[in-house]
Amino acid sequence: NAGVTQTPKFRILKIGQSMTLQCTQDMNHNYMYWYRQDPGMGLKLIYYSVGAGITDKGEVPNGYNVSRSTTEDFPLRLELAAPSQTSVYFCASSYGGPPNEKLFFGSGTQLSVL
Amino acid sequence: RKEVEQDPGPFNVPEGATVAFNCTYSNSASQSFFWYRQDCRKEPKLLMSVYSSGNEDGRFTAQLNRASQYISLLIRDSKLSDSATYLCVVTVPPSNTGKLIFGQGTTLQVKP
Repeated sequence: NAGVTQTPKFRILKIGQSMTLQCTQDMNHNYMYWYRQDPGMGLKLIYYSVGAGITDKGEVPNGYNVSRSTTEDFPLRLELAAPSQTSVYFCASSYGGPPNEKLFFGSGTQLSVL
Repeated sequence: RKEVEQDPGPFNVPEGATVAFNCTYSNSASQSFFWYRQDCRKEPKLLMSVYSSGNEDGRFTAQLNRASQYISLLIRDSKLSDSATYLCVVTVPPSNTGKLIFGQGTTLQVKP
């Protein structure tokens, strides 16, 4: 079982460049999430989606965009990358809301903006 | 006040010790609570859910105190393999969004 797959695993961007972090899950989960984790810190929610066509902002959405055209895919777009976006990004999915919120995470993307 | 707050530690304990972590949350309407474990440079993985009556899974015991708005994790007979960061996770109302907020994590280092 593939679970949640994120690509790429590592990326270096120059300031002002744009990129898309890919996330796909094969568990038919309705809910998907993007988190970022800065060194020594917990995970901060960037965006989340409760189903195809529905997205909403999390705690730290500025500088990011998402789309959810299918149940499987939830790409995260960075426009005009800034050094403050240097972080580890985790995509996650869950079957639904309570009591099925167990999150399944991808292995993460280490992003550096220089 | 942060939505979810943990003592970052690190907690350095010898093998065989009992150690406890606490986590406080700010939204009294939160309904679901979890402990996740994160190994260095890896993705978080669910350790256990936290139920109102308290629950146990082997050497791990989780408890919820709604009145004081905190959850706890107790680890008995610590093993070297328990060394990790433990993340407290809380749902944010409305519950049907499935939105989860993570604490900053508590680092445990178990030494021989």
